[in-house]
Amino acid sequence: DAGVIQSPRHEVTEMGQEVTLRCKPISGHDYLFWYRQTMMRGLELLIYFNNNVPIDDSGMPEDRFSAKMPNASFSTLKIQPSEPRDSAVYFCASTYKPGHTGELFFGEGSRLTVL
Amino acid sequence: AQSVAQPEDQVNVAEGNPLTVKCTYSVSGNPYLFWYVQYPNRGLQFLLKYITGDNLVKGSYGFEAEFNKSQTSFHLKKPSALVSDSALYFCAVSEGGGADGLTFGKGTHLIIQP
Repeated sequence: DAGVIQSPRHEVTEMGQEVTLRCKPISGHDYLFWYRQTMMRGLELLIYFNNNVPIDDSGMPEDRFSAKMPNASFSTLKIQPSEPRDSAVYFCASTYKPGHTGELFFGEGSRLTVL
Repeated sequence: AQSVAQPEDQVNVAEGNPLTVKCTYSVSGNPYLFWYVQYPNRGLQFLLKYITGDNLVKGSYGFEAEFNKSQTSFHLKKPSALVSDSALYFCAVSEGGGADGLTFGKGTHLIIQP
């Protein structure tokens, strides 16, 4: 199994540009999570999906952030327009149905730098 | 609301000595507790979990953790530290079995000195 796959691994962009981060979860996992990691705030849950449906997006910072999951094997996190304070490492994670192991499988992350 | 506290930003241990990384939690119901490890420029990896049952949980790489309900703690331990254990360790809690999104602590840098 290839694990959770994220792209790009690194993104450098200028303020105001649109950024799209991509995630392919592990096949058969029903839940997909987007986390953001910064030195100041640690790991923050942004949004999660169950069977491609967004369940809780209360962690999305503001309207500039949006996430979609058009099918079971693909999700995107979009920032438009980007700002320097969005600079962080964005992680995607997936897992089985609730009541199973509860273990999250994380991707390698996408490091975003907004200049 | 659920929360996790890791009181130490960094823990330094000599190789071969026992190590402890502290974690306390707050939830309104029964806690589901987890430890994850992160190596530089990598994603988080699952180490172990407590859902129910025995308070001493054994996990990957020789790590174990003890659930203490009265102290609301879930400290990570290892009897003999290795240099390769040096990494960032996160404690996490959930009230929904992990599938509703984990709340993570700030993380503790564990440094094992040769």
